[in-house]
Amino acid sequence: DIQMTQSPSSLSASVGDRVTITCRASQDIRNHLGWYQQRPGKAPKRLLYGASTLHSGVPSRFSGSGSGTEFTLTISSLQPEDFATYYCLQYNSDPRTFGQGTRVDIK
Amino acid sequence: EVQLMESGGDLVMPGGSLRLSCAASGFSASNAWMNWVRQVPGKGLEWVGRIKTKGDGGATFYAAPIKGRFTISRDDSKNIVYLQMDSLKSEDTGVYYCTSGEVGYAHDGYWGQGTRVTVSS
Repeated sequence: DIQMTQSPSSLSASVGDRVTITCRASQDIRNHLGWYQQRPGKAPKRLLYGASTLHSGVPSRFSGSGSGTEFTLTISSLQPEDFATYYCLQYNSDPRTFGQGTRVDIK
Repeated sequence: EVQLMESGGDLVMPGGSLRLSCAASGFSASNAWMNWVRQVPGKGLEWVGRIKTKGDGGATFYAAPIKGRFTISRDDSKNIVYLQMDSLKSEDTGVYYCTSGEVGYAHDGYWGQGTRVTVSS
């Protein structure tokens, strides 16, 4: 199985900050990676797929990059509604696997 | 508008069975690969399994912890996907989500609100 490792596991930031989260795959997954946001008590929502393509309706302050084994999610200017947990998901092969999550808290 | 709605979660005893349903609206689920994902309260997301479209052969794939105990099926005439869970264990407790595919089709990338399964005596 492909292991997905996210870093950091948590971070504290202020509104307006630029935030970057990294996801590393244990083997080459090309660009078959998605990013998901989960607010407390809510279902996850997809932010990006194909490593860098925004899901419909997602604000442009979210962006993604990377291919192969290293990927990043960037929030260019953190907004109050962005305080949540973020997960990466590889869909290059079965079983699909998630990263362990990165919790973004208010500083 | 694409929507997914799970139902069927309940309290069940260890060794028991439960069938979850995922009703799709706003698109034809027959055109989508559908997944089940679960989450233990306070923990991360765990992919459970997937069913392809009938056009892609309808194949299923399951994560190791549930293989042989859970079965995913689909009724395209009703636009519903099912997760049959047998031989349930306490570690199967969690919120179960259905999700549409991971790639870039218009119906991909959506999640239901989840349904809660509790396995306890």
